[in-house]
Amino acid sequence: EVQLVESGGGLVQPGGSLRLSCAASGFTFSAYDMHWVRQAPGQGLEWVSAIGTGRDQYYSGSVKGRFTISRDNAKNSSYLQMNSLRAGDSAVYFCARATCSGAGCPPEIWGQGTLVTVSS
Amino acid sequence: IVMTQSPATLSVSPGERATLSCRASQNITTYLAWYQQKSGQAPSLLIYGASTRAAGVPARFSGSGSGTEFTLTLSSLQSEDFAVYYCQQYHLWPPITFGGGTKVEIK
Repeated sequence: EVQLVESGGGLVQPGGSLRLSCAASGFTFSAYDMHWVRQAPGQGLEWVSAIGTGRDQYYSGSVKGRFTISRDNAKNSSYLQMNSLRAGDSAVYFCARATCSGAGCPPEIWGQGTLVTVSS
Repeated sequence: IVMTQSPATLSVSPGERATLSCRASQNITTYLAWYQQKSGQAPSLLIYGASTRAAGVPARFSGSGSGTEFTLTLSSLQSEDFAVYYCQQYHLWPPITFGGGTKVEIK
């Protein structure tokens, strides 16, 4: 069974850091692009970041310079290092596997998400 | 690229047809996906490439369109179809962008 499980969310003060993890199973992790998408409470979906199979990284303007995406194919895991956190970063963060690798491959399989709350 | 969905809320009776619209602010050819999100759950991919159903998606879900105008049609609504639906473009990214969503509710 294809599965993604996020972890690492929690309560953090403004300016603080968190590292989210996404553990994958049931597929050849190294063959797929991976994405992070967030959803603030009661709001819509916002794409955050993606990493390709060649470890090429992509970011939304709102997190560029503060967040870093990475992957460890040996551990079948993707990570999102979040620094300089702001109240506006509070959301459920979903990890998602793309349909393939490269252009034209949208997020397909999603984890259940991990909640990040930025508050003093 | 800004994605605009309409209507924001659609009230439909079970068994009826529902038509959801999505407009892109510029040409995205057919790099358009639709997702369903039920309350408290993660999104689920329904359609990609504007009209290709994802694995396991029932035939009552169909997508159409190209360029800037797209449609998701639910031919005969079942109780499990009441949810929020999002369109997403993946033609010119970053960033990938989502529409604001259409909530399909029971009439």
